[in-house]
Amino acid sequence: DGGITQSPKYLFRKEGQNVTLSCEQNLNHDAMYWYRQDPGQGLRLIYYSQIVNDFQKGDIAEGYSVSREKKESFPLTVTSAQKNPTAFYLCASSIPPGYNEQFFGPGTRLTVL
Amino acid sequence: AQKVTQAQTEISVVEKEDVTLDCVYETRDTTYYLFWYKQPPSGELVFLIRRNSFDEQNEISGRYSWNFQKSTSSFNFTITASQVVDSAVYFCALSEGGNTPLVFGKGTRLSVIA
Repeated sequence: DGGITQSPKYLFRKEGQNVTLSCEQNLNHDAMYWYRQDPGQGLRLIYYSQIVNDFQKGDIAEGYSVSREKKESFPLTVTSAQKNPTAFYLCASSIPPGYNEQFFGPGTRLTVL
Repeated sequence: AQKVTQAQTEISVVEKEDVTLDCVYETRDTTYYLFWYKQPPSGELVFLIRRNSFDEQNEISGRYSWNFQKSTSSFNFTITASQVVDSAVYFCALSEGGNTPLVFGKGTRLSVIA
């Protein structure tokens, strides 16, 4: 089955620690995206990548970092610089250009203790 | 700048009622694309529809229908004879084309009560 996997589903982190969220897709999509969802805030774009070894900041990139070394993988690191990291994180992929439908993973819920 | 407004934060209806979810958008481009996604309690967003700015025909898919009106910059979504399984958060989104990512509204939480 083609799709997007995110792991882990739930993640707990102590303050001051970096943590990496995994996102893998087998849809052969060139573009991948990371969104953050907070209650009542909708989805806000963190980073996106249109092609391997290239990525762009979204609206709320501060305190986050990404890499795109393989087409299938787009991991997101939440650094200690992110002031309020507790949120639901969604990964998506699509065939470029940006107006094509995006396919979403099941999400990772990150809680900072 | 592009913007999507979903003024209805939460809606509750009784099963079998019809319900309309509103979406108003802002864009300076003449070519753009509008989307609706459903987010059930499991969390994963599910694509429902995409409409480009040159196609103002309304669309019907089973109990779902969409009304696109450029004159009012709206792309509303109606569920006919709602069911409990329709309970979810629904997002409207906009893309101005090219490699511009989607911009999402804040979503409308729909609760259908049996």
